[in-house]
Amino acid sequence: RKEVEQDPGPFNVPEGATVAFNCTYSNSASQSFFWYRQDCRKEPKLLMSVYSSGNEDGRFTAQLNRASQYISLLIRDSKLSDSATYLCVVNMRTSGTYKYIFGTGTRLKVLA
Amino acid sequence: GAVVSQHPSWVICKSGTSVKIECRSLDFQATTMFWYRQFPKQSLMLMATSNEGSKATYEQGVEKDKFLINHASLTLSTLTVTSAHPEDSSFYICSAPRGAMGNEQFFGPGTRLTVL
Repeated sequence: RKEVEQDPGPFNVPEGATVAFNCTYSNSASQSFFWYRQDCRKEPKLLMSVYSSGNEDGRFTAQLNRASQYISLLIRDSKLSDSATYLCVVNMRTSGTYKYIFGTGTRLKVLA
Repeated sequence: GAVVSQHPSWVICKSGTSVKIECRSLDFQATTMFWYRQFPKQSLMLMATSNEGSKATYEQGVEKDKFLINHASLTLSTLTVTSAHPEDSSFYICSAPRGAMGNEQFFGPGTRLTVL
């Protein structure tokens, strides 16, 4: 089983739609959680951190359920510019160091 | 502005040559840096953790003699792909954490390697 799993998609949605991505992680010792966005042939860019209480940044809402080891990202009122790959990232401590583990990514295409 | 730089941004080389990629933290010191590889339509796979002043820690399945890592200073880590072959063609990305728990990870812009 992969350490971080995501539905690869692609998710094709019309502009203005609401879309949700899910992610599960296997290591209960995971410390912190993030959603990154990656555009084609570019490096990942931090979209938002994910907190246990849930957090919102404009049109984006992230949720964390530690008991179920599940993370979600909700995008409301999708824009064409939201088209990208969304990476679920888990930061875990192992062998005395912290490291990021990436999910496979979920591709989103917002259609005009 | 960018806080982690990588050089070169792209490289094309012949099979059998070695390629060195540099990763620099620009305005902070990083005792640890991470090297990732990303094949087309796949996610980032952690290759190794570069440690300043000690040996790098390699992930399972990554050959340490093929991917040489040197963390020369608190702001520089290098990855050398030795005797590169076409299957090594990939997007190589480094990152450096800032903060005690490594929660802030800053990624370099990546290096696209094509081995002919």
